[in-house]
Amino acid sequence: DQQVKQNSPSLSVQEGRISILNCDYTNSMFDYFLWYKKYPAEGPTFLISISSIKDKNEDGRFTVFLNKSAKHLSLHIVPSQPGDSAVYFCAASLYNQGGKLIFGQGTELSVKP
Amino acid sequence: EAGVTQFPSHSVIEKGQTVTLRCDPISGHDNLYWYRRVMGKEIKFLLHFVKESKQDESGMPNNRFLAERTGGTYSTLKVQPAELEDSGVYFCASSPDRRRNYGYTFGSGTRLTVV
Repeated sequence: DQQVKQNSPSLSVQEGRISILNCDYTNSMFDYFLWYKKYPAEGPTFLISISSIKDKNEDGRFTVFLNKSAKHLSLHIVPSQPGDSAVYFCAASLYNQGGKLIFGQGTELSVKP
Repeated sequence: EAGVTQFPSHSVIEKGQTVTLRCDPISGHDNLYWYRRVMGKEIKFLLHFVKESKQDESGMPNNRFLAERTGGTYSTLKVQPAELEDSGVYFCASSPDRRRNYGYTFGSGTRLTVV
C-alpha cells in the first residue's frame, strides 16, 4: 500500500524549458510535503517543501504546487538546466510521526543541452 | 560543519553473514533516521532515534535487523544473518529537531549487496 506515488519513472526536457514532476498521495492527513533531489552515489538533498495549508511555495527556479482536493502535488523547475539532471523524490510527513517521511519511487529527470 | 557520514560506502557479503553499518550524524543533531532503498524503488523508513532512544522502529523489516545509538551520538545498524533481499542502499539522516518543513540531512548511503 504505497501512500505516495510518482508514476513517471523518467522525464526528459530541453535546457531552458520547464520541467514538471508529479506526485500523488492517498493519505489526506499528510501535513507537509517535500521534494528531494538525488545525484548518483549521493544521499538525497532537500529541495523545497510545502505545508498542507498552502497551495504554492516558490524558491528561485523551483515552485511546488499542491492540489489537496486531487491529492496531487507537482514540482516546476523553470528554466531547467543540465545540472538539474538527477532523481527527484516526493515525500510526505504526518504531524504526529516525529519527522518520519514517506517517499515516492522517484522520477529521473534528464535535462539535455 | 561536517555532514552526515556513513561507512562503509559499499559492502558485499555472503548470505548468512553479519554486516554492521555505521552512521555519524551532524554534531548536536538529536534526531537520527535510517532509511533503505531497494532495487530503485521508493526510499523506505526503517527507524528513528531521539538521542539514544528508539522513537519509532515501525519500519524495521524483521528481527534480523538491530539498530543502536549508544550515548546518543553515532548509530549502528546490524544485519544478522543477512539475506539476499536485504540488498539495497541504506541511508542515514539527522536533524536538530522534528520540524518538518525544511527536511533533514542525508548521508551518502551504504550500498549493501548480499550474494
